[in-house]
Amino acid sequence: AQKITQTQPGMFVQEKEAVTLDCTYDTSDPSYGLFWYKQPSSGEMIFLIYQGSYDQQNATEGRYSLNFQKARKSANLVISASQLGDSAMYFCAMREPSTGGFKTIFGAGTRLFVKA
Amino acid sequence: GAGVSQTPSNKVTEKGKYVELRCDPISGHTALYWYRQSLGQGPEFLIYFQGTGAADDSGLPNDRFFAVRPEGSVSTLKIQRTERGDSAVYLCASSSGQGLANEQFFGPGTRLTVL
Repeated sequence: AQKITQTQPGMFVQEKEAVTLDCTYDTSDPSYGLFWYKQPSSGEMIFLIYQGSYDQQNATEGRYSLNFQKARKSANLVISASQLGDSAMYFCAMREPSTGGFKTIFGAGTRLFVKA
Repeated sequence: GAGVSQTPSNKVTEKGKYVELRCDPISGHTALYWYRQSLGQGPEFLIYFQGTGAADDSGLPNDRFFAVRPEGSVSTLKIQRTERGDSAVYLCASSSGQGLANEQFFGPGTRLTVL
């Protein structure tokens, strides 16, 4: 079964508008962490934002915020005031306990296109 | 300070050959991870090290894949008898600890092409 599901292979957004990238996850462990990464065409993985399973408030980092709906097991990324440089692949990831520590599992990603 | 580095950046090899991919983590980072990213997919976990030991190698696809980290810093991913299906970008990441919130810092990856 898929642990991380990103249902939007591609998304378009107009420059300066907000966009939401969807992510749902599946775990039976009460303790886990959720991450979003950006991967531009150059290939590097850039950490954007983190949400812990016990965090009461939604995480925010500048123009990025994470809409954490624990009961629905969703962790959507909201990018406000989109910029042309936001065009990239975006990956949702979950870290959960595993043998000897923690393991991080990534979704298949969403490609975001920002239009001028 | 320097980030995570990986060498080579590109590796082209023939089916059946042996390859080694190197990862230099951020100095002082105790945790090191290897991932494989196929075209159009997210990174797929292979193995992680805490110090010198492999804490979880459950993601290694088969016994042709092996990784070491003998001194707790540099790590080498070794692939024997390469197959065309091994073609992918191999990413390495390191973090200062193994907590849930510890950010993983990724290297630029090694693009492996098996002809």
